Amino acid sequence: EVQLVESGGGLVQPGGSLRLSCAASRFTFSKYSMNWVRQAPGKGLEWVSYINSDSRTIYYADSVKGRFTTSRDNAKNSLYLQMNSLRAEDTAVYYCARDREEILLDYYYYYMDVWGEGTTVTVSS
Amino acid sequence: EIVLTQSPDTLSLSPGERATLSCRASQTFSSTYLTWFQQKPGQAPRLLIYGASNRATGIPDRFSGSGSGTDFTLTISRLEPEDFAVYYCQRYGGSRPWTFGQGTKVEIK
Repeated sequence: EVQLVESGGGLVQPGGSLRLSCAASRFTFSKYSMNWVRQAPGKGLEWVSYINSDSRTIYYADSVKGRFTTSRDNAKNSLYLQMNSLRAEDTAVYYCARDREEILLDYYYYYMDVWGEGTTVTVSS
Repeated sequence: EIVLTQSPDTLSLSPGERATLSCRASQTFSSTYLTWFQQKPGQAPRLLIYGASNRATGIPDRFSGSGSGTDFTLTISRLEPEDFAVYYCQRYGGSRPWTFGQGTKVEIK
């Protein structure tokens, strides 16, 4: 079964840094774009970042732009999120999710089809 | 930024009843970008519907999606006990950011 497993979460002080990892297995990781999505405690989902398969295209939500950096290592089947200058409002469960692009009857469809179980980041003094 | 507003915030229904969830966008966009997810407490979101109306692999046919432009709907024809959860719509594709709705909680009446 296709699997994504996040790691690296923990407790960090405001202004600190943390690096999250997402390990992919049972699919050809290098062929897929990936996303990070987060969910603050008791809140809804927020898209954070996107990286395409060869790392040439990377997007960020305005809320993390300039502080977070997304990267990947296709040889290691891994996705990363480097988080700097962390704030209390960055406290959340962080999920990695696989991007799918599908063509049906000449229409292009885009969606996130596989998600990890998430890793928890808590920013607090 | 395109804002997605889901209604109602909470839907109280009994098993066997029909659930109709709405997702309204602040601007029109392609229906190929509209996705629905189900999330249960302590779990990751699960893909239900993509392209507004296409069921994902393994999703029961009691789940259906419809809509276009700015108005989208997720329908659960007959609620099973395992369907009580929070449901999110998302626009994924086109201009960024790729936002989610705030969620609709379907709870047991």
